[in-house]
Amino acid sequence: EIVLTQSPATLSLSPGERATLSCRASQSVSSYLAWYQQKPGQAPRLLIYDASNRATGIPARFSGSGSGTDFTLTISSLEPGDFAVYYCQQRSDWPYTFGQGTELEIK
Amino acid sequence: EVQLVESGGGLVQPGGSLRLSCAASGFTFSSYDMHWVRQATGKGLEWVSAIGFAGDTYYPGSVQGRFTISRENAKNSLYLQMNSLRAGDTAVYYCARAPRGSGNPDYWGQGTLVTVSS
Repeated sequence: EIVLTQSPATLSLSPGERATLSCRASQSVSSYLAWYQQKPGQAPRLLIYDASNRATGIPARFSGSGSGTDFTLTISSLEPGDFAVYYCQQRSDWPYTFGQGTELEIK
Repeated sequence: EVQLVESGGGLVQPGGSLRLSCAASGFTFSSYDMHWVRQATGKGLEWVSAIGFAGDTYYPGSVQGRFTISRENAKNSLYLQMNSLRAGDTAVYYCARAPRGSGNPDYWGQGTLVTVSS
């Protein structure tokens, strides 16, 4: 099973700042890495798929990069609604797996 | 509008069974892969099962042999039969759709809570 490790566990930033979230895979997942946002009491929302492609309706301030084992989600300028938990997910091999999440909190 | 509505959750004793359902609308159900993903309270996300548009199924080791995913395209419905339930299966169970072969669910239901406890 491919293990995804996200860092940091918690990121404290202010609106307007840039956020950089990391995800490292225990083995190569090529570009088969996605990012989700989850707010309290809500289902996850797909942000990025295949490492760098924005899902439908996702603002351009969200971007993804990386390949192989190291990936990054960048939010260029944080808005109040961006404070949530972010998960990475691989679809390179079954069982698909998620990282443990990064909580992005308001500083 | 795409909608996924889960039902069938509840309280069940260890060793018991439960069947979850997911009613889909707003898209061509038969053309999509479907997934079940769960989340224990305050914890992360865990894949439970997947079924391709052609009916191929996938399970992680933690539920293999205990859970069965199925779909009924004529009724736009997805199911999860859960047997031999354990306390560790307690979670919110989400139904989600994914474009064929994408492995990335793009629409999710709001979830149904399963509690396994005596």
